[in-house]
Parts: sequence; structure tokens; C-alpha cells
Amino acid sequence: DAGVIQSPRHEVTEMGQEVTLRCKPISGHNSLFWYRQTMMRGLELLIYFNNNVPIDDSGMPEDRFSAKMPNASFSTLKIQPSEPRDSAVYFCASSRDRVSEAFFGQGTRLTVV
Amino acid sequence: AQSVTQLDSHVSVSEGTPVLLRCNYSSSYSPSLFWYVQHPNKGLQLLLKYTSAATLVKGINGFEAEFKKSETSFHLTKPSAHMSDAAEYFCVVSDNRGGADGLTFGKGTHLIIQP
Repeated sequence: DAGVIQSPRHEVTEMGQEVTLRCKPISGHNSLFWYRQTMMRGLELLIYFNNNVPIDDSGMPEDRFSAKMPNASFSTLKIQPSEPRDSAVYFCASSRDRVSEAFFGQGTRLTVV
Repeated sequence: AQSVTQLDSHVSVSEGTPVLLRCNYSSSYSPSLFWYVQHPNKGLQLLLKYTSAATLVKGINGFEAEFKKSETSFHLTKPSAHMSDAAEYFCVVSDNRGGADGLTFGKGTHLIIQP
């Protein structure tokens, strides 16, 4: 398996623009996680899905953030409108189930100017 | 609820000397525990995991960790540090009850290797 695949690897956008981050989990994995990593706050769980259903979105910072998982092989994290404080590395991870080890993608480095 | 505390934000050791990265956890149920490593500008890679089998767990790159229930600890060790071990290390707990908590990450320990 190719592992968890995230795109794009880098994204630079202007404040106010919509940003969409994409993730393809490992085939057969039932749980998918979106994390955000910054120097100030470390690694934060934003949302996680189990069997394509959002289970816990308490980490989503505000209504500007939304995540979807339309099928078992694809998820998106959207920020609209984006702000400079959203600049971070966003990781997607998947696991066989909600308690097994998670496998991480390479991350998307987002810069909002 | 579950939580994990990494007791040191930074650890510095000389190359060839032992490494100890400390982690304490809290869980209402029998936990699974993991250590992940993140090299600069990279994603997180699983080093090792404990899932209620042997309490001493061996991982990749010569690392190992011991689950001590009485101390609620899961410290990561390596007998001899290598320059390539310089990275950020995360201790992770999962409480195994299939609830909504999922995985809980510690804040990370930055390991510095002095030549």
C-alpha cells in the first residue's frame, strides 16, 4: 500500500480565500483523523471519522473549518475563509479501527498570507 | 477520559549514551500505548506499540519501552544514541473501549543529540 496520501504538500494562499486539503487513507482502514500541528500548540486533533461518519469534531476551531468523508477512500478539510492564524501543517492519519495505531500522511504545509 | 504527559519538552544526550524519554498516562480502561517519531519536515512514524501483551516492547531503530501499570508509565529508552535519532517524539494513549476519545497525543519531547 502507498500509505496515507495527502495533497497538496504545500499550499500558499491569501487571506480570505478558500482552501481545500485532501486525504486518501490506507485501503481497509475504518478510522480517519485530521490533525493540525503548530509550534505554539503542538499536535491537535481536529476531527475524526469512523466508517465515514464524523465521531468527534470538538477540535475543529470554528465554523470556518469543515471536513467531509464522502466515501471510505477520500476525505477533505476545508477552510473558508482562511486567515493567517490558520497557517500550520495539517496531517491526515488513518487506522484500522479507532484504537489501533494510526498511520500518518506527509502533511500539508499551509501558509496564509 | 484519558491523558498523557511527557515529562520533558527537551532532552539532550551525547552520541553513544543512553536515551530516556519519559511518559505518564491516565486512562479509565486498559490502554494501548504508542510512541511516534517525527523527523524535521516529515510526518509521524510509529516506533512501537503496547497492546496488553508483553510489557517490554521493542520497536524500530533500537528503541524499546516498558509498560508499568503501577507507575502508569511508558518510558522510551535506547541504549546508545545515534545522530539520526534527533527528532520529536510523541507518546500516545488509546483507551481501547471503542469510545469517542480515539488517540490522545502528548505534547512531544524534542531529542537533541550532541556529537
